Amino acid sequence: DSGVTQTPKHLITATGQRVTLRCSPRSGDLSVYWYQQSLDQGLQFLIQYYNGEERAKGNILERFSAQQFPDLHSELNLSSLELGDSALYFCASSPQVSGGYNEQFFGPGTRLTVL
Amino acid sequence: GEDVEQSLFLSVREGDSSVINCTYTDSSSTYLYWYKQEPGAGLQLLTYIFSNMDMKQDQRLTVLLNKKDKHLSLRIADTQTGDSAIYFCAESRNFGNEKLTFGTGTRLTIIP
Repeated sequence: DSGVTQTPKHLITATGQRVTLRCSPRSGDLSVYWYQQSLDQGLQFLIQYYNGEERAKGNILERFSAQQFPDLHSELNLSSLELGDSALYFCASSPQVSGGYNEQFFGPGTRLTVL
Repeated sequence: GEDVEQSLFLSVREGDSSVINCTYTDSSSTYLYWYKQEPGAGLQLLTYIFSNMDMKQDQRLTVLLNKKDKHLSLRIADTQTGDSAIYFCAESRNFGNEKLTFGTGTRLTIIP
C-alpha cells in the first residue's frame, strides 16, 4: 500500500458525460501528479500540482482539468467524454523536498470506461 | 524530445535471469527508473540510477546504464513467479520533482 488513495476504482459512463476522479496523497506530500495509461498512448503525464498551484502540464486535453484543494487532495475532471478517453488514470504524490528524496508514490488507479 | 522505448514482451523460465532493456533519447535525462506494475495495482518503484553511475545493484536487481548509447537494462536474478508483471523504465531530469516519462512497458511472463 503506497498510502495514495484514489476513488472510485472503476467508473463506467457514456460518451458526452463528465466525471470527476479523486486522489488523496500520502500524508505530508505536497505534490500530486496525474497520469493516463491507455493502450494506444501508453503511460503519459497529464498534470502536476504543488501545494494547490499548477506546476506543470503535459499532454492534457482541454476537456480535462484538475485542481488541488487546501487539504492537498486533488480532483481530475474529464468532460465531453469520448470513447478514446477510456483508460486507467493514476495519481502519484511526492514530498517535493528540495534536494531530498522525492520518490513518486502511485495510487492504484481509477479505471474509466466510456461506452 | 523525450522518447523511451522497450520491447513489449519477455518470457523467462523460473530460476533463470531476466533482462529487460530500455532505450531513451533525451540526453538531459538525469535519473532513470524501473517501475513494476502488477495486475490491479499501481506502479511500484523498484530502483533508480543517477546518470553519473553505470551500475547499481540491489539484492536480485542489477541496473546497467550505458549513457553513451542511452541504454538502460534491468536484470532480475533467479526470476520467480512473483516477478510476473509489467516493467516500465522511466526518466526525469530531477528526482521526483517533475514528471516522469515512461517507456511502453515490458510484460514479463515466467514459465514454470
